[in-house]
Amino acid sequence: EAGVAQSPRYKIIEKRQSVAFWCNPISGHATLYWYQQILGQGPKLLIQFQNNGVVDDSQLPKDRFSAERLKGVDSTLKIQPAKLEDSAVYLCASSLMYRVNTGELFFGEGSRLTVL
Amino acid sequence: AQSVTQLDSHVSVSEGTPVLLRCNYSSSYSPSLFWYVQHPNKGLQLLLKYTSAATLVKGINGFEAEFKKSETSFHLTKPSAHMSDAAEYFCVVSDNAGNMLTFGGGTRLMVKP
Repeated sequence: EAGVAQSPRYKIIEKRQSVAFWCNPISGHATLYWYQQILGQGPKLLIQFQNNGVVDDSQLPKDRFSAERLKGVDSTLKIQPAKLEDSAVYLCASSLMYRVNTGELFFGEGSRLTVL
Repeated sequence: AQSVTQLDSHVSVSEGTPVLLRCNYSSSYSPSLFWYVQHPNKGLQLLLKYTSAATLVKGINGFEAEFKKSETSFHLTKPSAHMSDAAEYFCVVSDNAGNMLTFGGGTRLMVKP
């Protein structure tokens, strides 16, 4: 079974530039998550989708971050304009079940962003 | 709101000796608790989870964790460390609705030969 695919794996940009990350979840997984993991910290949820609808985006900095999940399958996370503090690994995860405590989250390998 | 505290940012053990990674949680309800492992350049993987059934939970690769409500703890243990156990470990709690996970800061486990 193919896992969660993310691209690009690494990206270096200058501040105020824009960047986009792509995620393709495991086939059949209705729930998709984007997490931000800053070096030395645990992952922090940015946004959660159920099919193509947003369940929770309370921690997404909406002035610069946006995400979409068209057709309820793959998803794109965009940052524009980037700031130095956006340097982090962006993790995508998917799950079969809506409630996290009844199932398991499957994570991609992440996209590492460095903002100079 | 729920939270988790991992008491050690780094733990170093010798191969073949026991592993103890400590986690305390804060929650106003009966939580679901998880341990995830992250090997270098790999995605996070679920080790085990507690969801109000047996308090001693067994996971993959010989790991287990015990839920202790009186101590608000969910420590991860393994009787004998292997070199392949070297990784970052995260203790995680879900919210009451079972919708959102909150991760601890992580514990980096180093295994010496």
